[in-house]
This record gives sequence, structure tokens and C-alpha cells, in this order.
Amino acid sequence: QSALTQPASVSGSPGQSITISCTGTSSDVGGYNYVSWYQQHPGKAPKLMIYEVSNRPSGVSNRFSGSKSGNTASLTISGLQAEDEADYYCSSYTSSSTLLYVFGTGTKVTVL
Amino acid sequence: EVQLVESGGGLVKPGGSLRLSCAASGFTFSSYSMNWVRQAPGKGLEWVSSISSSSSYIYYADSVKGRFTISRDNAKNSLYLQMNSLRAEDTAVYYCARESIAARRAVDYWGQGTLVTVSS
Repeated sequence: QSALTQPASVSGSPGQSITISCTGTSSDVGGYNYVSWYQQHPGKAPKLMIYEVSNRPSGVSNRFSGSKSGNTASLTISGLQAEDEADYYCSSYTSSSTLLYVFGTGTKVTVL
Repeated sequence: EVQLVESGGGLVKPGGSLRLSCAASGFTFSSYSMNWVRQAPGKGLEWVSSISSSSSYIYYADSVKGRFTISRDNAKNSLYLQMNSLRAEDTAVYYCARESIAARRAVDYWGQGTLVTVSS
């Protein structure tokens, strides 16, 4: 079971929107609506930003939104802000016999 | 306030053992499934192991199966990871992570992590 595939880096100017993709298979992303997204600043623990594909936990800005089509999930950050500069990881529940959860490869978001 | 505090990390030689602990507070520990997730230096997140609230269901990543053992003591609000036959590739920050009840199949709280370094 390989990690979910994410672009290594995405960048945007303040105020712009960016989208991060997360590609898996029918055994994980495509097979379940259990995709979550995490934000991680350097030296810090990850923070849950999106769960069950498109739901935001209390306290997370509505500038963050999630969606899924087939085997690919996406995280969109609108109105990009300097504080959004961080690493982002997707995760999915999987029916693999060797894993319970699989994470994405991670995407570094840079605010220009 | 939910708190997860890991301990037990350190430097260990290849083939050695280490036991990580996670002290939980601020919530009803016995109601939640718990996980260990690790992150090698400069690398991404990797799920390691999960244990259900009553320890009835336990899962491991293939990379640690047969070497690591997850356990919990609900009376002590504690989660553990016994790591044996450690390898250089096990070097990572190990996070204790609570699986959410409201946000299914997602981790809603993470500890600050404890660094395990496997080196001779």
C-alpha cells in the first residue's frame, strides 16, 4: 500500500485560491468518504482541517474546503493568508489488509 | 482541555527496544480509539498502529507488525507503544493521536510528539 499522491508544492499570492489534490485508489479515497486533511506548521503537531471529505471542525476557517471526485480528493484554500503557509497532508481510511489509514505524501504551501 | 503528552523517546541502538507512553487528560479516555503516527525527519506522516477503546481491535502497519505492540490502560488514561527490534528506519517523531468520534476516521487531537532515534 503506497502513500496517497499529493503535489510536492503549491504556491499562491495572498488573497488567491489554491487547490491541493490527493490521489488514491478505489480501496481508499475512492471507496470511502473518510478523507481528512491536516495542516502542519514546522516543528508542530498536525491539525485537523477537514474530515469526511468536506466537513470542517469547529474553529477552522471557512476559507478551507474539501471535495472528492472518484479516487481524487481536493483541499481548496481561498483568500490565501500568510498563516496558511504550512505542510498539508491528506489521509484516508483504507480497506487494505496491511493498513488502517494511509496518509498522503504531503504538500508544502508557500504564500508568495 | 484535551491533552496528550508522550514520553519515552530517546536514542537506542539497532536491535534495541523502547517503550513509549502517552498520558491523556481532559476527556473520557476509555471512550476513544487511539493511534500512533510517526514522522521521520523531514518526511511525511505515517500511520503506525491503532487500538479501539476497549482494546478489542488492534491494527498495525506492515512496517512494524511483529515488532511493535500497542496497548492501553484505561484506568490510568494511558496509551503505550512497545517497540522491539528497532531499525534505523524507525527513527522518527512518534505522535499519540486521538481518533475523533464526531469526525469519523479522523484524528482530532495530537500530542507534541516524542523523538525516537535508532543509531549505533
